[in-house]
Amino acid sequence: AQSVTQPDIHITVSEGASLELRCNYSYGATPYLFWYVQSPGQGLQLLLKYFSGDTLVQGIKGFEAEFKRSQSSFNLRKPSVHWSDAAEYFCAVVTLIKAAGNKLTFGGGTRVLVKP
Amino acid sequence: DTAVSQTPKYLVTQMGNDKSIKCEQNLGHDTMYWYKQDSKKFLKIMFSYNNKELIINETVPNRFSPKSPDKAHLNLHINSLELGDSAVYFCASSPFLQPRRGSYEQYFGPGTRLTVT
Repeated sequence: AQSVTQPDIHITVSEGASLELRCNYSYGATPYLFWYVQSPGQGLQLLLKYFSGDTLVQGIKGFEAEFKRSQSSFNLRKPSVHWSDAAEYFCAVVTLIKAAGNKLTFGGGTRVLVKP
Repeated sequence: DTAVSQTPKYLVTQMGNDKSIKCEQNLGHDTMYWYKQDSKKFLKIMFSYNNKELIINETVPNRFSPKSPDKAHLNLHINSLELGDSAVYFCASSPFLQPRRGSYEQYFGPGTRLTVT
């Protein structure tokens, strides 16, 4: 069965410092991977996605992620964190059910706290 | 011009009651979903509908009944509410599955926080 693991439950980072969030997936075929962000009291916003091609993908808000098949990883990075980046981050993989069905399997999330 | 909207945003009710959450999307998508986020922030799919047809039902108790009157709406009705139903419920939508075109991303609504007392 497909699964996504985010090893870090919490990460605290100083404003202006770099950030890396880890994501490992288990999926038999070529994975379709996503990172979503959930700000406090808000819904989920898509940061970026990987389907195929270039393994380094750029997203919104200055985020990027790198797909590494050999490590089954899709880590999220940002070179310089802003206070507004404090949020919960979720990695997800798409499972294709049948012709008209797919679902997202989410990791447990990583809460990012930003120190001034 | 909200893409995926849900009502209500907050819902507080007592055990045993019946309640509904409504979801609407104006993205022209064919597929809609309900996800449940528990108190530990874990997200899990409950249902998905494609063009009003139920596609996914992830072993959800039959007290939960989704209804899709048209492809832009997917409502969630919950009977005999229990304490364990307290959670945030998210509606989402995505375009019709198009192999090799990568149309798999899902767009989420703001969530409905359900509290059962």
